[in-house]
Amino acid sequence: DTGVSQDPRHKITKRGQNVTFRCDPISEHNRLYWYRQTLGQGPEFLTYFQNEAQLEKSRLLSDRFSAERPKGSFSTLEIQRTEQGDSAMYLCASSLSGTGHYEQYFGPGTRLTVT
Amino acid sequence: AQKITQTQPGMFVQEKEAVTLDCTYDTSDPSYGLFWYKQPSSGEMIFLIYQGSYDQQNATEGRYSLNFQKARKSANLVISASQLGDSAMYFCAMRVQGSSGSARQLTFGSGTQLTVLP
Repeated sequence: DTGVSQDPRHKITKRGQNVTFRCDPISEHNRLYWYRQTLGQGPEFLTYFQNEAQLEKSRLLSDRFSAERPKGSFSTLEIQRTEQGDSAMYLCASSLSGTGHYEQYFGPGTRLTVT
Repeated sequence: AQKITQTQPGMFVQEKEAVTLDCTYDTSDPSYGLFWYKQPSSGEMIFLIYQGSYDQQNATEGRYSLNFQKARKSANLVISASQLGDSAMYFCAMRVQGSSGSARQLTFGSGTQLTVLP
């Protein structure tokens, strides 16, 4: 399968614990995005990488959130001291710059439940 | 600020009929892109169709077409010959320019849940 993959697909954690999610983009895509989607809503942008550089962060991304893309390939999103309000689907997407349309291809998401 | 509005929380259509899902947008940027995505119950977002703000013709992709009315700032999705497998949540999205100047992140509407009836 050459699409975007995310791991884990589901994560249940207790409030106050740290969690880390991984995203593997489509191999030739240099742009990688993280979004958060709560029930009944559309995805909301969190952060964006071009290669290994994190170029944009949403105000939704509090200090408890950190994202990395160390070698310009896979990315990780860490949430420290989780809160119940962090419960959501975390979606990763990738795209290729210079193709004109800039459509983003999404992974299956990681569903986080904070108890 | 950019905004996408989808006013139909839920829509029903009979199998083999056509259906239109509404989307209006707001932006002051003259250059933008509009996208439609499908999200089945499995959760994955599937890209359907794209329309650029400078495109002269409405986009089409198989059974999907985009009715782009720039002056009215609307980008409605038309699905022809609906199939049971089309039942899903549909999101309209707009590509925006982030503060970095090149981010291209998407702003999404709240979605329309389409149910195709046999």
